[in-house]
Amino acid sequence: DAGVIQSPRHEVTEMGQEVTLRCKPISGHDYLFWYRQTMMRGLELLIYFNNNVPIDDSGMPEDRFSAKMPNASFSTLKIQPSEPRDSAVYFCASSLASDTQYFGPGTRLTVL
Amino acid sequence: GNSVTQMEGPVTLSEEAFLTINCTYTATGYPSLFWYVQYPGEGLQLLLKATKADDKGSNKGFEATYRKETTSFHLEKGSVQVSDSAVYFCALSARDSNYQLIWGAGTKLIIKP
Repeated sequence: DAGVIQSPRHEVTEMGQEVTLRCKPISGHDYLFWYRQTMMRGLELLIYFNNNVPIDDSGMPEDRFSAKMPNASFSTLKIQPSEPRDSAVYFCASSLASDTQYFGPGTRLTVL
Repeated sequence: GNSVTQMEGPVTLSEEAFLTINCTYTATGYPSLFWYVQYPGEGLQLLLKATKADDKGSNKGFEATYRKETTSFHLEKGSVQVSDSAVYFCALSARDSNYQLIWGAGTKLIIKP
């Protein structure tokens, strides 16, 4: 199995630009999670989906953040407009039901 | 609510030393407990887990026992290696949290040769 795939691995952008992060979960998994990791705040759950439906987006910091899952094999996290304080590593994870979550390698986002 | 508390790091040890990283939890019912590891520049990986009281999870020489009486899930390894240097996260999953992982803050482990 290829594991969870994320792209890009690194993204450097300027303040005000739109950023789109992509995730392909493990085939057959029905849960997908987006996390953000920073030194200051640690690991934060932003949003998660079950069977492509957003279940809890209470961790999304503000309206500049949005996430979609158009099908079982693809999800996006979009930030528009981006700000320097959005700089972080963003992880996608997937799981089968309530079992172990498998993480992708992460996208390191730098907003200048 | 449910929560996880880990010992603060960094923890610095010499190679071949004995390792303990403490983890305690607060939860109603019977959560599942996990240890994840994050190596530098990588995502989190499941290290081990336990799903019921007195279960022992083990992997790569690491062990942790689910202790309901002390609400603990301490991570241990008898002889650490430089390659074990990483950040270790304790987490729980419980029905009343919709089985979402509740994370500890992470403990950075540094092993010196």
